[in-house]
Amino acid sequence: QVQLQESGPGLVKPSETLSLTCTVSGGSINSYYWSWIRQPPGKGLEWIGFVHHSGSTNYNPPLKSRVIASIDTSRNQFSLNLRSVTAADTAVYYCARVTSSSYWHFDLWGRGTLVTVSS
Amino acid sequence: EIVLTQSPATLSVSPGERATLSCRASQSVAYNLAWYQQKPGQAPRLLISGVSARATGVPARFSGSGSGTEFTLTISSLQSEDFAIYYCQQYHNWPPLTFGGGTKVEIK
Repeated sequence: QVQLQESGPGLVKPSETLSLTCTVSGGSINSYYWSWIRQPPGKGLEWIGFVHHSGSTNYNPPLKSRVIASIDTSRNQFSLNLRSVTAADTAVYYCARVTSSSYWHFDLWGRGTLVTVSS
Repeated sequence: EIVLTQSPATLSVSPGERATLSCRASQSVAYNLAWYQQKPGQAPRLLISGVSARATGVPARFSGSGSGTEFTLTISSLQSEDFAIYYCQQYHNWPPLTFGGGTKVEIK
């Protein structure tokens, strides 16, 4: 079955760029929208944005100026870059699949990866 | 931005009892509401979409209802594996897609 796996550094210094990759296995990355969602320790969920296999993107407005999501269909991967990070960006970052272009909820999730912003 | 308010923050329930969780939207989301379950150390799992449609493999003891701004997730007879945090999410008016703050269902 289709599985998602996040990868990337677990520690990022303040003011630097957080970079994560999500690998899709067991299925094609095409025909779906793919999303990033984060969860600060002990807190709730925050949608970051999504990317489509066509390359189109949409972001949460407060993060829009710092976020770039991209996709590499040849590798079945999509990525997140969040620049100028601060301690407030410390969170578990999840990649997830949007169910469909008509139903913008998330039917498949990665296990998540904790990213800590600290010097 | 549509704000989702979940109540109560914590619900203490005995196994076998019924649990009723609430999600209120700051404006109408029609029927575009989903529920997720999250256990400690795990990713959220989609339970219900479109207010009341159970996702694949979700037991029938989970049911959703409501429309507009008031929604309810009911667990008819709590099992040990149901103790978790539950989140609602709206996908009616975005960006941004938004989640509620969560309700923790704990053992009484």
